[in-house]
Amino acid sequence: ILNVEQSPQSLHVQEGDSTNFTCSFPSSNFYALHWYRWETAKSPEALFVMTLNGDEKKKGRISATLNTKEGYSYLYIKGSQPEDSATYLCAPLNSGNTPLVFGKGTRLSVIA
Amino acid sequence: GAGVSQSPSNKVTEKGKDVELRCDPISGHTALYWYRQSLGQGLEFLIYFQGNSAPDKSGLPSDRFSAERTGGSVSTLTIQRTQQEDSAVYLCASSLPSGRGAKNIQYFGAGTRLSVL
Repeated sequence: ILNVEQSPQSLHVQEGDSTNFTCSFPSSNFYALHWYRWETAKSPEALFVMTLNGDEKKKGRISATLNTKEGYSYLYIKGSQPEDSATYLCAPLNSGNTPLVFGKGTRLSVIA
Repeated sequence: GAGVSQSPSNKVTEKGKDVELRCDPISGHTALYWYRQSLGQGLEFLIYFQGNSAPDKSGLPSDRFSAERTGGSVSTLTIQRTQQEDSAVYLCASSLPSGRGAKNIQYFGAGTRLSVL
């Protein structure tokens, strides 16, 4: 069973602040890492799928980096907006292990 | 349909009753997953289907939980003799099969909120 750690558990930031949080996962047998955003009363939505060490993905003000050798990924949000308030989940995928194992997430609240 | 559909959206039941939760995946998605989120917890994997077979049932918490999938499409998750600790949001997701280049991006339904009184 994969051990996935996300930190911090929750985060409150002011509108306009930039922020980042961490996903840690076992570095052995790495295949891919998924980031999802889960807004209250909505379904989780995929943000990024990352596969290569050193990968950097960007979607608007949100970006993510990946270090497969040490087993971590950072998610960055630049100039946070209230609509960014959500729980951000990461899930690593092992070779041959299809179901995603999600971390407990980082709950972000952006205060206007 | 355009997305993953789950029904009912909310279910309130009495302890000891059986419940059935339904998931209708995206057309063409052969992989289907059930998760649940209990209060204060993360997303917990329950069971995974590839077509109609379930290669991984490791997450089912007890033998009161079962799931089936027919025709490679709709899946039902059944909880027998519900207990209060079964109260949670049950989420279904579907994806293209692993190895098709989609890297298992999962598309989630809106969930069923189950409350066991």
